Amino acid sequence: KQEVTQIPAALSVPEGENLVLNCSFTDSAIYNLQWFRQDPGKGLTSLLLIQSSQREQTSGRLNASLDKSSGRSTLYIAASQPGDSATYLCAVRGSGETSGSRLTFGEGTQLTVNP
Amino acid sequence: NAGVTQTPKFRILKIGQSMTLQCAQDMNHNYMYWYRQDPGMGLKLIYYSVGAGITDKGEVPNGYNVSRSTTEDFPLRLELAAPSQTSVYFCASRTTVGTGNTIYFGEGSWLTVV
Repeated sequence: KQEVTQIPAALSVPEGENLVLNCSFTDSAIYNLQWFRQDPGKGLTSLLLIQSSQREQTSGRLNASLDKSSGRSTLYIAASQPGDSATYLCAVRGSGETSGSRLTFGEGTQLTVNP
Repeated sequence: NAGVTQTPKFRILKIGQSMTLQCAQDMNHNYMYWYRQDPGMGLKLIYYSVGAGITDKGEVPNGYNVSRSTTEDFPLRLELAAPSQTSVYFCASRTTVGTGNTIYFGEGSWLTVV
C-alpha cells in the first residue's frame, strides 16, 4: 500500500527566504506526482504535476523535483512571500491502478511566511 | 467558469440523520471523486466514478453511497450519520482526454455530526 509522508509538518520562515518542502513515498511505481496548495477553508489548487518520466517542473517561483527511484519529491519556493502562507500537499498516482487513478495524499506541510 | 461546485458549504447533522452532499462540474470531466479530510490529515478517497453509470469504492466507503446518473453530477449520500463522519468533504474531477491529468477540487463541505 502506498504511503506518502511530508516533512516538516509545519514551517515558519521570514519573508524573502528560499525554502524546500519534502515529500516521500513508499512505492516507486507511480504514474505522476502532484503538488497542491490549500488555503484555510478552501479546496485544493494544483500547483505542479510531474509525470514519472520527468525530473522536475517549474512554474514561476516554484520548482518541483522528482526522484522516483528513491521515492522523493521536493517543492522549492524561491523568495517566499506572505501570500505563500498555506498548507502544501503532495499526492502520488500509482501506475499499477487502472480505473479511477486514485491519488494517495500526504498530510501536508503548513507554511507560514512572516512579513 | 464554475469548475467544481459543492453544496452545502456547512451542515450540522444529528446522529442517525441522513443527507446528501451535492457535487457538480461543468468541465465535461469523465472522472469524479469524493474525498474526506480529517483535521491535520491528508485526503482519503471515499468513492469515485469513471463515467456516468459507473461508480466504485475508495479507501473509506463505509457509511456512504454515491450515484452518477449524469456526467455533471456526483452526489454523496450519508445514511445514518455517525460522529466519525464529522469531516470536511471534497469533490474533485478530471478528464482523461489528452495529456492533462490535473485534478480540480471543489471548495469543500464542512459536516459536523452531533
